[in-house]
Amino acid sequence: KQEVTQIPAALSVPEGENLVLNCSFTDSAIYNLQWFRQDPGKGLTSLLLIQSSQREQTSGRLNASLDKSSGRSTLYIAASQPGDSATYLCAVRPAAGNKLTFGGGTRVLVKP
Amino acid sequence: DAGVTQSPTHLIKTRGQHVTLRCSPISGHKSVSWYQQVLGQGPQFIFQYYEKEERGRGNFPDRFSARQFPNYSSELNVNALLLGDSALYLCASSVILAGSYNEQFFGPGTRLTVL
Repeated sequence: KQEVTQIPAALSVPEGENLVLNCSFTDSAIYNLQWFRQDPGKGLTSLLLIQSSQREQTSGRLNASLDKSSGRSTLYIAASQPGDSATYLCAVRPAAGNKLTFGGGTRVLVKP
Repeated sequence: DAGVTQSPTHLIKTRGQHVTLRCSPISGHKSVSWYQQVLGQGPQFIFQYYEKEERGRGNFPDRFSARQFPNYSSELNVNALLLGDSALYLCASSVILAGSYNEQFFGPGTRLTVL
């Protein structure tokens, strides 16, 4: 059974500092991994999707890496801004099927 | 182009009642999935439907059921509501390309409160 863990559960940084968010998963037989952002009480916004054959994906200030063999992904957010304050969730999709297994999320607060 | 839409936005029910939640996928998306997100936790998979057939079911009791219509919209039904069913219910749609499911796009969710 796939298990996804995100540590830390919460993170507070001053504005301008780089953010590093970690995600680990127990079963390396994944099809892809997605990072999402969730604002309080809202739905999920997809940030980056990394296919299992890829090592990283970049979008603006966001960069996500994937090490499938070790079961780890890292989301880097450069030069954090107060608007980056949200909960960040990672989710993995298995090689077969469309079910996403989510981690518990990391709640980020960027202080002005 | 409209994203995934869900209705209602919020809902308050009492224990024992029944509820129906609705989801309209992005145009052209034929796969719809439902997730339950309890406060402070990550979403948990409930169901996936593709071409009106159930393609996956999570570890939820039979009180939970769903269906998909010819226009690919979907309903999630929950019977005999319990306090523990209080959660944000999320719907996601995805397109099938080259025989494989692709990125899932989520709706804003329906906040269900059971009193």
